[in-house]
Amino acid sequence: DSGVTQTPKHLITATGQRVTLRCSPRSGDLSVYWYQQSLDQGLQFLIQYYNGEERAKGNILERFSAQQFPDLHSELNLSSLELGDSALYFCASSVNGYEQYFGPGTRLTVT
Amino acid sequence: QQPVQSPQAVILREGEDAVINCSSSKALYSVHWYRQKHGEAPVFLMILLKGGEQKGHEKISASFNEKKQQSSLYLTASQLSYSGTYFCGTENRDNYGQNFVFGPGTRLSVLP
Repeated sequence: DSGVTQTPKHLITATGQRVTLRCSPRSGDLSVYWYQQSLDQGLQFLIQYYNGEERAKGNILERFSAQQFPDLHSELNLSSLELGDSALYFCASSVNGYEQYFGPGTRLTVT
Repeated sequence: QQPVQSPQAVILREGEDAVINCSSSKALYSVHWYRQKHGEAPVFLMILLKGGEQKGHEKISASFNEKKQQSSLYLTASQLSYSGTYFCGTENRDNYGQNFVFGPGTRLSVLP
């Protein structure tokens, strides 16, 4: 158990819908990272927050957005969902920007 | 741009050694290594920073050649628990900020 929690564990929704994935980092970790893992694309970095501020941006689509709240939990919002958005979404946290501890992931299925 | 990992897959017997390579076409600030078992989240193994600093588990060793933009992960005296997919993640820093890109993974199977 890494200490990072993600909810929900599974999510099934229809195309065109909007969902919110939630992540609680390990106690004391200020950085949160979001990743998407699909079979054909591998592990893709989406975005990083540090103490509430966006720190780095990767291959995040405009339909996706994220934020980190004052209590350091983070949410990833996915809208206008497409079939290709079906994937495992991981959040990771880090205290020092070096080792990242991954949560168990949220499996999103878009039908 | 995604780093290249080699080999794509490797099968070992317990006790054998393996090397997994990662190379990038971009100048790197750091290289991260993770292991992911099927159905589980990636687990941090090692980070190698520009300038020679390393942080990671004692039983894992790796190298980082900044000039060649390459890193190698060394797995010695492999155990059954080493099986999984190994990802290298590369970090670039430029005027636009940081960017993390992961390689496609190397699948390692350790047999008894």
